[in-house]
Amino acid sequence: GDSVTQMEGPVTLSEEAFLTINCTYTATGYPSLFWYVQYPGEGLQLLLKATKADDKGSNKGFEATYRKETTSFHLEKGSVQVSDSAVYFCALFKTSYDKVIFGPGTSLSVIP
Amino acid sequence: DAGITQSPRYKITETGRQVTLMCHQTWSHSYMFWYRQDLGHGLRLIYYSAAADITDKGEVPDGYVVSRSKTENFPLTLESATRSQTSVYFCASRGQGASTEAFFGQGTRLTVV
Repeated sequence: GDSVTQMEGPVTLSEEAFLTINCTYTATGYPSLFWYVQYPGEGLQLLLKATKADDKGSNKGFEATYRKETTSFHLEKGSVQVSDSAVYFCALFKTSYDKVIFGPGTSLSVIP
Repeated sequence: DAGITQSPRYKITETGRQVTLMCHQTWSHSYMFWYRQDLGHGLRLIYYSAAADITDKGEVPDGYVVSRSKTENFPLTLESATRSQTSVYFCASRGQGASTEAFFGQGTRLTVV
């Protein structure tokens, strides 16, 4: 079945370091891909999305490119801040089914 | 206020009691979902609904009941709470279309003692 795999962490970085969180998916057809972020004590909120191959989603300095050839949607940020400490979830959705499929989440801690 | 709201935010209940978690959204989204979040398990789908009066099981439905008589509400009931149901529960909704994202509530932290 369709699935999402991501590095589970925890990931600890110093402020201003470069961030990559890997996400790969298994799905037939053409899913839409999402990154969600969960700050401590809160619900998930959309960070960025891409709906077709080679699309780049971006928001708050984060970017991810939909790579169909490698079935990947890696999240990157050039310079992380302490306020980026959160759990990040990669997810996919297809119109052929109703559910959103989430990866296991990656915990990020950024230290000053 | 527009959005998706869950109530209560925190709940402590005893083993064997019935408890209902409420979820309300104001967008008239077709789809609604219930997830539980536990350390080491990420988000697990309990039940979901594609429209009023249409519900389906997710990964971990045992011990839970849902209903959706109105589009905007999607309550989750634990028929006889067990300690293993101690968790944080999230409700989410989304509209039609592959590019529309899911919106999440703030969560309900449930403790079964």
